[in-house]
Amino acid sequence: EVQLVESGGGLVKSGGSLRLSCAASGFTFNSYSMNWVRQAPGKGLEWVSFISSSSNYIYYADSVKGRFTISRDNAKKSLYLQMNSLRAEDTAVYYCARENHDSSGYAFDIWGQGTMVTVSS
Amino acid sequence: SSELTQDPAVSVALGQTVRITCQGDSLRSYYASWYQQKTGQAPVLVIYGKNNRPSGIPDRFSGSSSGNTASLTITGAQAEDEADYYCNSRDSSGNHYVFGTGTKVTVL
Repeated sequence: EVQLVESGGGLVKSGGSLRLSCAASGFTFNSYSMNWVRQAPGKGLEWVSFISSSSNYIYYADSVKGRFTISRDNAKKSLYLQMNSLRAEDTAVYYCARENHDSSGYAFDIWGQGTMVTVSS
Repeated sequence: SSELTQDPAVSVALGQTVRITCQGDSLRSYYASWYQQKTGQAPVLVIYGKNNRPSGIPDRFSGSSSGNTASLTITGAQAEDEADYYCNSRDSSGNHYVFGTGTKVTVL
């Protein structure tokens, strides 16, 4: 079964750090780009960061650039998000999502169940 | 960065057709993908590319695009289609992604 499972969320104080993990199974992890997407309580989806299959390309949303770092370990089939200098507005459910490309276009075709990050002020 | 604008909410009678639109400049260059999110659940991909459905998505879901507007149509809406729907595309730089503001679909 193709699956993504996030972990590492929790309660942290403003200015603190947290590292999220996403474990992949059921597919060839090192063939896919991956993304982090978040959703604040009661709000819409917000793209956070992208990493290509070999980590050659990395992009961040302006809202997290300079504070968050995306990485991956293809041997461990895992994706990570290191979050530093956390702010109250980073409070959200964080999802990892697989990016699938084919001749028809791209899409986030597999999503994890999400992990909640709460930043207290 | 670009923005993708959606109507906040639409309603549809059971078995009728509803179209959800997504507007943004980046849609002139990139196709949108569409995601369904039910309360308390992770998003699910329903349409991507020109008009492609992943395996398991009913054929009552279809997509189209014209100019700066992408559309998701549900033909013969069912009670289980009640959810939030989000469009997504690359932004004008091509290096970032942006989600639409989301549309809540209510099936009456």
